[in-house]
Amino acid sequence: EAQVTQNPRYLITVTGKKLTVTCSQNMNHEYMSWYRQDPGLGLRQIYYSMNVEVTDKGDVPEGYKVSRKEKRNFPLILESPSPNQTSLYFCASSLRDRDGYTFGSGTRLTVV
Amino acid sequence: AQKITQTQPGMFVQEKEAVTLDCTYDTSDPSYGLFWYKQPSSGEMIFLIYQGSYDQQNATEGRYSLNFQKARKSANLVISASQLGDSAMYFCAMREGWESGNKLVFGAGTILRVKS
Repeated sequence: EAQVTQNPRYLITVTGKKLTVTCSQNMNHEYMSWYRQDPGLGLRQIYYSMNVEVTDKGDVPEGYKVSRKEKRNFPLILESPSPNQTSLYFCASSLRDRDGYTFGSGTRLTVV
Repeated sequence: AQKITQTQPGMFVQEKEAVTLDCTYDTSDPSYGLFWYKQPSSGEMIFLIYQGSYDQQNATEGRYSLNFQKARKSANLVISASQLGDSAMYFCAMREGWESGNKLVFGAGTILRVKS
């Protein structure tokens, strides 16, 4: 089944404790992206990747890191999480120049 | 300026009636795509319908249709014969060209509640 898999689905952590949210797709998509969703703001792009070893900042990159060492994986790293990073996070992937985006199921992160 | 504007924070509709969710967009790129997603309370993003900027006809998918008015830069979602299961958050989104990073820009969303 074609899908984007995010883990974990739910995570509660403490301020400053490094964490990684994994994202993997099995569709050989070039493009992958991370979004965060906050009430009243919709989804905002954090980082994106156009292909292996090619990443760039989205609209709200502060406090996040990403890497794209393999085509299928695009982890989101929070080196020192803070409470303002409490949010619902989505990973998405698509083919180049195509219009179908596949979203993961979301990761609900709470930083206390 | 907001690239995607959804002016209705919340809407109510009676079961079996039609409802229109508004979306206006702003872009200078001649090539773009417009999407609608549904987000139920479980949180996942469900793709509903897509309209390309060069498409001549309005998109339809089952009970969903997109009223695309290019000159007005609007892409309203019409849901016919509403069902209780349509109660959810609805997002309008726009993709600009690959040179813009192929990203989706989302509106703030509209919460739809279907009444029995």
